[in-house]
Amino acid sequence: GAGVSQTPSNKVTEKGKYVELRCDPISGHTALYWYRQSLGQGPEFLIYFQGTGAADDSGLPNDRFFAVRPEGSVSTLKIQRTERGDSAVYLCASSLIGHSTDTQYFGPGTRLTVL
Amino acid sequence: AQKITQTQPGMFVQEKEAVTLDCTYDTSDQSYGLFWYKQPSSGEMIFLIYQGSYDEQNATEGRYSLNFQKARKSANLVISASQLGDSAMYFCAMREGGSYIPTFGRGTSLIVHP
Repeated sequence: GAGVSQTPSNKVTEKGKYVELRCDPISGHTALYWYRQSLGQGPEFLIYFQGTGAADDSGLPNDRFFAVRPEGSVSTLKIQRTERGDSAVYLCASSLIGHSTDTQYFGPGTRLTVL
Repeated sequence: AQKITQTQPGMFVQEKEAVTLDCTYDTSDQSYGLFWYKQPSSGEMIFLIYQGSYDEQNATEGRYSLNFQKARKSANLVISASQLGDSAMYFCAMREGGSYIPTFGRGTSLIVHP
């Protein structure tokens, strides 16, 4: 079956602009996660959805970052007034039910570059 | 304090040899899970293996095994019979208690030489 997909694969934008990053999880997975990975680092948690609701958004760095999952499948990560420090790879993952032993399946990521 | 420590920024191994990638963790929880992921240059994180803190046997998945030493708080990944396609970044991660959110280490870059 299809894995997690993310679009676009690359996004270049200018400082101050607004961007949206999309994640299509594996069909039937109720849990969805967003991570940010900077160069030379492991992924850092941003937000976790269980169904349509954000169960944990403690990793969002500030109020410029927002994510939605209105129908419990596709999710969009939105970044307002982008800054150069937002440049990173944004990874999305999904898992079946969100249990602590669930395996998370990752997408290929979106590489965001803010000029 | 870092919850996951991967002390080897880079490792080199000859094709067909075995290699061990180190991971130590820090938690006061009795219940936790440990994961290893592979990240090739394409960027996708690929799940390799999982070890629960209460699992008595070391986890194995094909050529991957996890050397779990609970008292030492280490969860090293052993790859047997390395292949050229094993060249990638490898990340160790831990989920504590009932948390859904894993914490990742900084990763180890593995290069397999022919």
